[in-house]
Amino acid sequence: GQQLNQSPQSMFIQEGEDVSMNCTSSSIFNTWLWYKQDPGEGPVLLIALYKAGELTSNGRLTAQFGITRKDSFLNISASIPSDVGIYFCAGLPRLWGGYNKLIFGAGTRLAVHP
Amino acid sequence: NAGVTQTPKFQVLKTGQSMTLQCAQDMNHEYMSWYRQDPGMGLRLIHYSVGAGITDQGEVPNGYNVSRSTTEDFPLRLLSAAPSQTSVYFCASSGGQGAATNEKLFFGSGTQLSVL
Repeated sequence: GQQLNQSPQSMFIQEGEDVSMNCTSSSIFNTWLWYKQDPGEGPVLLIALYKAGELTSNGRLTAQFGITRKDSFLNISASIPSDVGIYFCAGLPRLWGGYNKLIFGAGTRLAVHP
Repeated sequence: NAGVTQTPKFQVLKTGQSMTLQCAQDMNHEYMSWYRQDPGMGLRLIHYSVGAGITDQGEVPNGYNVSRSTTEDFPLRLLSAAPSQTSVYFCASSGGQGAATNEKLFFGSGTQLSVL
C-alpha cells in the first residue's frame, strides 16, 4: 500500500531553536496535514494543506505542500517546552474510485531542553 | 462540548478474552474511525464508517469487528484477544460525508490495551 516516510524519527533540541521535519511519498497526494500528539492524548490537527506549493502558518508553525505533490514540510520557529510531543504528517492520496482514506506517517518525536 | 469520548482508558486482557472498546462523539459527525498506534508505525486504520449502518475495513482489520447503529457511537470489538493486539487504540471522527471532509479528524484520548 501507499506509505509516507517521515523524518527525522526523533529530535532533541534546545529551547529557542527552530525545527524542521518532512514527509515524503512515492505517490501523489491531494491533501497534506500535520497533527501533534501530546503525551497521553490523541493527535490534534495543526495545519491542513490543499494545493501544491501552498504555504500555511499557525502561530510559530509553518507547513508547505510540496510542488511535486509528493512531499510536505513542517517548520517550528523558536521552540518552547510545550512543543514537546509527536508530530505526524498525514495525507489523502490521489485516488481513482473508492473511498479515500487518510494515511499517517510514523511520526517525529520532539524533545525540547529548557 | 465533550468531543470524542473513549472508554476505558486502560485495559489488561488475557489471551482469548473478548472486550469492546467504546467510542462516542457528540458533534454529529458522519465519519468515524478506529486507529491503532504502535511504536515506529504511526497510526494505522482498523475500520471506518461513513454513516450509521455503513462500515468498511481499513489497513489492519483482522481480529476486530465494528458496527454503527447510531451516528454517535462506534464500538470496536475484539472477539479473541491476542498479544499482537497490544497497542494504543484511538477513535476519531470528522464532519460531513465524502472524501473531501474526512481528513480533519477529531481524536479521542485513547485506550491503552495490553494482552497477556
